[in-house]
Amino acid sequence: GAVVSQHPSWVICKSGTSVKIECRSLDFQATTMFWYRQFPKQSLMLMATSNEGSKATYEQGVEKDKFLINHASLTLSTLTVTSAHPEDSSFYICSAPPPGPRRTDTQYFGPGTRLTVL
Amino acid sequence: QKEVEQNSGPLSVPEGAIASLNCTYSDRGSQSFFWYRQYSGKSPELIMSIYSNGDKEDGRFTAQLNKASQYVSLLIRDSQPSDSATYLCAVRPAGGTSYGKLTFGQGTILTVHP
Repeated sequence: GAVVSQHPSWVICKSGTSVKIECRSLDFQATTMFWYRQFPKQSLMLMATSNEGSKATYEQGVEKDKFLINHASLTLSTLTVTSAHPEDSSFYICSAPPPGPRRTDTQYFGPGTRLTVL
Repeated sequence: QKEVEQNSGPLSVPEGAIASLNCTYSDRGSQSFFWYRQYSGKSPELIMSIYSNGDKEDGRFTAQLNKASQYVSLLIRDSQPSDSATYLCAVRPAGGTSYGKLTFGQGTILTVHP
């Protein structure tokens, strides 16, 4: 089946620095990818929809200038957390819907990136 | 009212018993419904998808959908300790331009004790 990878799997950074997380579709092309955030003991919250070749669509309450999304190719989307603060510490998960006729089906999830901001 | 709401947990069942997980949703036009299992520190993995009213069975898992009541459930038969995880109900909203966009419930923690 389709595989989505994320890099890094975990990262620790100092407050005020920026962190980039990559999401790749390994064996299929993804014109759309989704970025979720999950705080401990909470559910997944959609942050934004990443669209290849165009601007990302952010959910209400998500600062687009803080969470920069770039979807420069059909297999790669990146999320950059700018000027990270401890409250940004979370589990970040990307996903992509399968291509073709099944694109209205569910999503393939990446393994997630654990971000800890000191 | 939350868009997708799951019964509050945690839910604890003995090994071999049936675990019943429930979910309600507010968007009456929703067409696709999913159950995910998430182990601690891992990303969700799909267990079941259901699109039509009625029951759908896959091994020990049965998903039930009632669109009139805006209700979807997951039954796990012969529960095993390895089933202990958080179960997330997800709904794909009606309409919109982003195929595959999902709204998740808050999750129910299931513990299966030997």
